[in-house]
Parts: sequence; structure tokens; C-alpha cells
Amino acid sequence: GAGVSQSPSNKVTEKGKDVELRCDPISGHTALYWYRQSLGQGLEFLIYFQGNSAPDKSGLPSDRFSAERTGGSVSTLTIQRTQQEDSAVYLCASSLVERDEQYFGPGTRLTVT
Amino acid sequence: KQEVTQIPAALSVPEGENLVLNCSFTDSAIYNLQWFRQDPGKGLTSLLLIQSSQREQTSGRLNASLDKSSGRSTLYIAASQPGDSATYLCAVIYTGGFKTIFGAGTRLFVKA
Repeated sequence: GAGVSQSPSNKVTEKGKDVELRCDPISGHTALYWYRQSLGQGLEFLIYFQGNSAPDKSGLPSDRFSAERTGGSVSTLTIQRTQQEDSAVYLCASSLVERDEQYFGPGTRLTVT
Repeated sequence: KQEVTQIPAALSVPEGENLVLNCSFTDSAIYNLQWFRQDPGKGLTSLLLIQSSQREQTSGRLNASLDKSSGRSTLYIAASQPGDSATYLCAVIYTGGFKTIFGAGTRLFVKA
């Protein structure tokens, strides 16, 4: 079946602009994660959604970052007033139930100029 | 602080060699541990998931073990092949939360 998909695959934006990154999880998966992978850095947890529960936002680096998940499926990560340090690959993962095996999408490479 | 460490950071071996990658974590109260591989410019591919109640999991030439008391997991790769060249990551979810903590990875190069 279809895996996790993310769009766009690449995004170049100017400093100060807002960007939206999209994640389509595997159909039927109730849990969804967002991560960030900066050049030469490990994966950094950003946010976690489980069903209709309140998301775990403990990893969001600043209030410029927000995410939502509509209808328990598609998720959008929004970065407002982008900064150069936001340049990274943003990865999304989903799992069938909470704390289960995670399946990753191909990522969105964000470059802030 | 909950941390995940992977040793070595990089490893180069000749084809056919058996090898072990190490992952250590600072808090034994884990829910599960997952091993991934990441190819350059790509997303992560799940290899094995070990629940906290399990001691090991096997898939093909891969075997992952878990020792919670010592805070360690190992990924054993048998008869390595050039196609195994990638970065291997371990990730831990601790009990009481949903945050996944990743190690920095081991970059493996298998020479033909």
C-alpha cells in the first residue's frame, strides 16, 4: 500500500516568509510525528499527534512553529517568519497506534535564504 | 536527561564481514526501541522494533538485542553486503511519554 507522503519535496523561501509543509500518513494510522534533521545533526522530535487527543508539542523550538492535523489524517507543519536556522529536512512519520513502529516519509528539504 | 548514544560514529568493513552496531540509552524506563537505516538524501526505513518486554528481534540477516538493565541495544548484521552501506539509527520511546529520542547514527560503509 501507499506509504507516508510529504509535500513539497523541496522548498526554498526567503527569510521572514511563512511556509507550510504537508504530511499524508499511511491510511488508518492514528499516530503522527514531525521531526527535523539539520545538516550534520540528529533527528529532533517536534510534535506528536494521537487520534483526537491534544498533541504533544514539547519539541517545537519556538512559537513560530505550529502544526495541525485535520480529520485525524493529513497534517500541516507551519513555520512563520522563517529564519536561516530553520533550514533543515523536515520528516514526518506515522504509526498504526501510539508508540508503535514508525514509518517515515521522504521528507521536505527547506532552505531559507 | 534522556539521551541515546551510538558507537561507533562510522565504520568501514569488507564485504562478508559480520558486524555489531551499538546503541546505549541513559534511562532504563523505555517503552520500545526501533532501529532504522537512512540512505543519503532519503527518509528512514524501519528495520526492527523491540518492545521493552522483548530481548531480541530478527529479520533476515539482522538481529537486534535489548538489555534494559544495562541500557544497551545492539544491531548485528551478518554477512555484510555493499547494499548495507547506509547510516543506521536507533530510536527510543520512553514510558510515560510519546517523544522519540534518536541517536546520532552509525555511518556504515561495506567495501566490495
